[in-house]
Amino acid sequence: DQQVKQNSPSLSVQEGRISILNCDYTNSMFDYFLWYKKYPAEGPTFLISISSIKDKNEDGRFTVFLNKSAKHLSLHIVPSQPGDSAVYFCAAILNNNDMRFGAGTRLTVKP
Amino acid sequence: DTGVSQDPRHKITKRGQNVTFRCDPISEHNRLYWYRQTLGQGPEFLTYFQNEAQLEKSRLLSDRFSAERPKGSFSTLEIQRTEQGDSAMYLCASSLANSPLHFGNGTRLTVT
Repeated sequence: DQQVKQNSPSLSVQEGRISILNCDYTNSMFDYFLWYKKYPAEGPTFLISISSIKDKNEDGRFTVFLNKSAKHLSLHIVPSQPGDSAVYFCAAILNNNDMRFGAGTRLTVKP
Repeated sequence: DTGVSQDPRHKITKRGQNVTFRCDPISEHNRLYWYRQTLGQGPEFLTYFQNEAQLEKSRLLSDRFSAERPKGSFSTLEIQRTEQGDSAMYLCASSLANSPLHFGNGTRLTVT
C-alpha cells in the first residue's frame, strides 16, 4: 500500500538551475509533509516541512509547495549546487506519529 | 556528536541466527522509531516508542522481531531466526512530539 509516491527515481540538473522534485500521495488524511535528504552511508536528514493548512513553505534555497486538491507536493531547489546531490525522500504524517515515505528520487547536480 | 547513534553499523549473519541492534536516541527525545529500508525503497515504519511504552507496531514486524526500550532511553531491536529477506538497512530515529524525526546512520544487516 504505497500511499506516498515519488515516480521519478532520478533527476539530473545543471548547477545553478532549478531542481524540482515531485511527490504524490493518496491519503487525504495526511496532515503534515516533510522532505528528507540522504547521502550514501548516512541516515536521512530533515530538510523542510509543510503543514496541510499551508500551500508553500520556504527556507533559503528550498521551497516546498503543497497542492491538496491534486494531492501533490513538490520541492524546489534554486539555485542547485553540486552538494545538493543526494537521494530525496518525501514523507507524510498521519495522526502525529505515523510517517510514510516515498521511494526517493536521486538528484544529481552537475557542475 | 549528540545525534542518534546506532550500533553496529554493519552486521553479517548466517540464516537462522539471532541478531540484536542498539539505538541511542538524542537524549531529550521521548519518541523513538525503528524503520527498515531496502534498496530502491523509502524507509518503512516498524515500531514506535513513547518513553518506554511501545505504542505502535507495523504488520511488517513479524513475531521474529522484538523491540524494547526498557528505561525510555536506548532501544534494542532483535531479530530471531534471521531469514535472507531480513537483509536491509535498519534505521532508528528519535524526536520530540510534533517535531521532525532525526535519524541515525543505520545498521546494515546482511543475512547469508
